[in-house]
Amino acid sequence: SQTIHQWPATLVQPVGSPLSLECTVEGTSNPNLYWYRQAAGRGLQLLFYSVGIGQISSEVPQNLSASRPQDRQFILSSKKLLLSDSGFYLCALNRVLYEQYFGPGTRLTVT
Amino acid sequence: RKEVEQDPGPFNVPEGATVAFNCTYSNSASQSFFWYRQDCRKEPKLLMSVYSSGNEDGRFTAQLNRASQYISLLIRDSKLSDSATYLCVVKDAIISNFGNEKLTFGTGTRLTIIP
Repeated sequence: SQTIHQWPATLVQPVGSPLSLECTVEGTSNPNLYWYRQAAGRGLQLLFYSVGIGQISSEVPQNLSASRPQDRQFILSSKKLLLSDSGFYLCALNRVLYEQYFGPGTRLTVT
Repeated sequence: RKEVEQDPGPFNVPEGATVAFNCTYSNSASQSFFWYRQDCRKEPKLLMSVYSSGNEDGRFTAQLNRASQYISLLIRDSKLSDSATYLCVVKDAIISNFGNEKLTFGTGTRLTIIP
């Protein structure tokens, strides 16, 4: 069955530092992959969506970027973190009977 | 008006009681509806889809009222393990800037079952 791995599980980074979060998927090929952010007291916000290698769509202008170097790898990055980047970052894919199936998430605190 | 609105709670309910949540949505053309459950500091997991005719899964019943634009979740005989945040999710027929059908998540209703 499909499994999502996210690394790291938690992260504390100072303002202005770079960021790299990794999402890897098992048990499927050519998945549609998503990055969401859940900030305290707010609903999940879709950040990036990818239908394949090198194909990234972004709706919200921000200092974050995403890349998909391999079919089952999705990376979220930033060159300089802001305090407002703190949150719970979730990688997700479409799965049969699941509208969105989420990975375990990375909890990021920017200090 | 928020696209998807939920009472944040918290709802503190004694074990064995029945509890109900509502969720309202603003887009009358929304086509699909879901309830997700999120445990503290964990990822959201699909609890159930909401069908037009209403549907039941064990102690859980979901209903849709298109005329009033709300969905509901009823939990009967609540258990301690039901303590979680319940997210309402609405899928629109419109295509988002991403090229996929747009999903909007509510901020969730927090439920605590008290022994």
